[in-house]
This record gives sequence, structure tokens and C-alpha cells, in this order.
Amino acid sequence: KNQVEQSPQSLIILEGKNCTLQCNYTVSPFSNLRWYKQDTGRGPVSLTIMTFSENTKSNGRYTATLDADTKQSSLHITASQLSDSASYICVVSAKPYKYIFGTGTRLKVLA
Amino acid sequence: GAVVSQHPSWVICKSGTSVKIECRSLDFQATTMFWYRQFPKQSLMLMATSNEGSKATYEQGVEKDKFLINHASLTLSTLTVTSAHPEDSSFYICSAREPGTNYNEQFFGPGTRLTVL
Repeated sequence: KNQVEQSPQSLIILEGKNCTLQCNYTVSPFSNLRWYKQDTGRGPVSLTIMTFSENTKSNGRYTATLDADTKQSSLHITASQLSDSASYICVVSAKPYKYIFGTGTRLKVLA
Repeated sequence: GAVVSQHPSWVICKSGTSVKIECRSLDFQATTMFWYRQFPKQSLMLMATSNEGSKATYEQGVEKDKFLINHASLTLSTLTVTSAHPEDSSFYICSAREPGTNYNEQFFGPGTRLTVL
């Protein structure tokens, strides 16, 4: 069964601190893996996308890693800001185009 | 580019009425659009895949007679919740796939909050 699991479910950090979110998946056939940021009451916005052959991708203060052997990915947020408070969703794309959504990590950044 | 809009952004209706939600791709033609539902503190759940000019493909457990999907043009798909009930209250999100893009990218709309009284 295709599944994407994320941890932790929720996380509270202080502004300026770093954090790492985890994603484990069992999806076949694997096409690519995305991280999305979803603000409350809004649609998801893409942060990074990685294919099988890529093991790291950065987008500003966001850095995603992918280990296709262990089927794990992480999203590292550097120097967090209040505006980083949101849900972060790991999405694995199964060929040809079906998205398998993770349960998300709710991040709260406190001043 | 790759902007998807939804209308309305929120709607409140009485139980038993029907509600239509529009999803538009503003700057590209989308042969395929997707409709998702999201309950509080849960992730997005795919309801149906909509292909322009053909019938939608519904996920298991989604009632096609209750959630009517029409994809009449390459830039517009509509979801009609018929005879809405309070349990249909949810956040509905559409996405659109632009053919020929890398990674089979889906671009998400901002969502529509439906509250059924």
C-alpha cells in the first residue's frame, strides 16, 4: 500500500532556531518527492521537488534531502521566522502522476 | 505563471441546498484537474480526477452523484456539492496539471471553505 508518513505531527520552536521535519514513504513506482507549505486556510505551495537521482535541493532557507535507498526525506528550515508557521506536507508522486500525501507536520514559530 | 484560482473562497449554505465551486487555471490550459477535500488537522484527500471533455474519475468511497464534477473547458472545472449536509462541511481544494511540464506538476488553488448549517 502506498503510504507517506511524517514526523513529528507538530512542532513548536523559537524564532531564529533551526528545525528538521521527517518523511518516510512506501510508494511504488516512485516518480518524485515534493515538500509543500500550507498556510492555514490556503492551498499548498511547492517548496522543493526531487527525483530519484537527486539527494538534496534548496530553496532559500529550506533544504530538502532524499535517501531513495531508505525511502526517507527531510526538510530542514534554517533561521526560522514567524512566517514559517504553517503545515508542511510531504508528497510522493507515484507514476504516472498520482500524488500520495503525507499527514503533515504543523510548525509553530514563536517570537 | 501557473496560477490556479477558486471561487468562492468561502461559502455558508443551508442543509439540503447545492453549492457550486469553480476552479480556474488562469495562465495555462489544464487537461487534468483534481479535486481534494481536507478536514481540520488532516491532509488532503483526493476526491476525483477531472479530464477535460470526459467524465471524472472518482476515488473509492466518493459518491459521484453527490459530488458532481464538470470539466467543460481547458481552464475551468466545477465541483457541485448536491443536497449538502453538515458532514460535507470541509475545505475543498482543486489543482490543475499543465501538460508537458516537468515532474507532472500540479498547481493548487487557494481552497474553498464550505460550511453547511
